[in-house]
Amino acid sequence: RKEVEQDPGPFNVPEGATVAFNCTYSNSASQSFFWYRQDCRKEPKLLMSVYSSGNEDGRFTAQLNRASQYISLLIRDSKLSDSATYLCVVNGKAGRRALTFGSGTRLQVQP
Amino acid sequence: NAGVTQTPKFQVLKTGQSMTLQCAQDMNHEYMSWYRQDPGMGLRLIHYSVGAGITDQGEVPNGYNVSRSTTEDFPLRLLSAAPSQTSVYFCASGRGTETQYFGPGTRLLVL
Repeated sequence: RKEVEQDPGPFNVPEGATVAFNCTYSNSASQSFFWYRQDCRKEPKLLMSVYSSGNEDGRFTAQLNRASQYISLLIRDSKLSDSATYLCVVNGKAGRRALTFGSGTRLQVQP
Repeated sequence: NAGVTQTPKFQVLKTGQSMTLQCAQDMNHEYMSWYRQDPGMGLRLIHYSVGAGITDQGEVPNGYNVSRSTTEDFPLRLLSAAPSQTSVYFCASGRGTETQYFGPGTRLLVL
């Protein structure tokens, strides 16, 4: 089983739509959770951290469910510029100060 | 600030050749890491460093060496290139394993 699993998509949505991605992780000891965004052939960039209480940044909302070991990202009012791959990231195995990346979910927002 | 820089951007090697991928950061970050990204696999950690003189193995370290003689630089050495090492390589840095800043990547083709 992969440490971090995501639906690869693609999710094809019209502009203005609301879209949600989920991610599951296997290491119950993970303490840090993030969403990164990666544009085609570019480097990943931090989109937002995910906190236990949930957090919101403009049109983006992230939630963490520790009991079920999943993380979600909700994008409201999708823009063409939101088209990218969204990477779910958790801190890795105990004893290793490292992050584990999911394979990513591709989003294509259409006009 | 230049952030994280990587050289070269592209490289073609023959099987058995060696080379060094360069990575430098000017943000005085203690934590640096190397990932490779293959289609459908997500980013996989090769090696990481929590400070000058300290390195550790990640998920896929075989065939790669690293050293960290200064805070700024974290080169990745391919000892004897193999076609399986064809990939996109990203270097990243951060204050810890929280927000990671990625370089633009090196695209490597091994023939």
